[in-house]
Amino acid sequence: GAVVSQHPSWVICKSGTSVKIECRSLDFQATTMFWYRQFPKQSLMLMATSNEGSKATYEQGVEKDKFLINHASLTLSTLTVTSAHPEDSSFYICSARSRGTSGIDEQYFGPGTRLTVT
Amino acid sequence: GNSVTQMEGPVTLSEEAFLTINCTYTATGYPSLFWYVQYPGEGLQLLLKATKADDKGSNKGFEATYRKETTSFHLEKGSVQVSDSAVYFCALASYGNNRLAFGKGNQVVVIP
Repeated sequence: GAVVSQHPSWVICKSGTSVKIECRSLDFQATTMFWYRQFPKQSLMLMATSNEGSKATYEQGVEKDKFLINHASLTLSTLTVTSAHPEDSSFYICSARSRGTSGIDEQYFGPGTRLTVT
Repeated sequence: GNSVTQMEGPVTLSEEAFLTINCTYTATGYPSLFWYVQYPGEGLQLLLKATKADDKGSNKGFEATYRKETTSFHLEKGSVQVSDSAVYFCALASYGNNRLAFGKGNQVVVIP
């Protein structure tokens, strides 16, 4: 089946620094990628939707200047947490949907990245 | 707006026991309902789905029935195995909308 990878799987950074998380579709071209965030004991929350070659669409309450999303190729999307603070510590998950598909069934998830900001 | 509620806390049970994970939802219109499973170190995988009332989704021995009258989509398996140990997420998507709303997830631990 389709595989989505994320890198790194976990990262610790100091407050005020920026962190980049990569999401790759390994065996298919992902025209749409989604970024989610999960706080401990909370639901996965959709942060933004990105389509290859265009600007990401952010959900209400998500700061686009803080969470920079780049979807420059059909196999790679990046999420950069700028000027990270301890409250940004969370589990970040991406998912990808391939060209020509539109259903939920065709959305494949990465294993997630654990971010801890000290 | 759309929301999904899963029962609180992890679930620990013995091999061959019966598993139930409760899921209720709030949504406008007629959403599609999903269960996802996440094994350690892997991404969420679609386990089963139901797209209309009274539909039953099933896969790998798991079942869930779309109950519109109780706005529920409880996950069941008659005899769990150690390999079923994972985190299970209930989710919904509104009709014509591919954006998923997830529950908090339940950690299931099956003891030999």
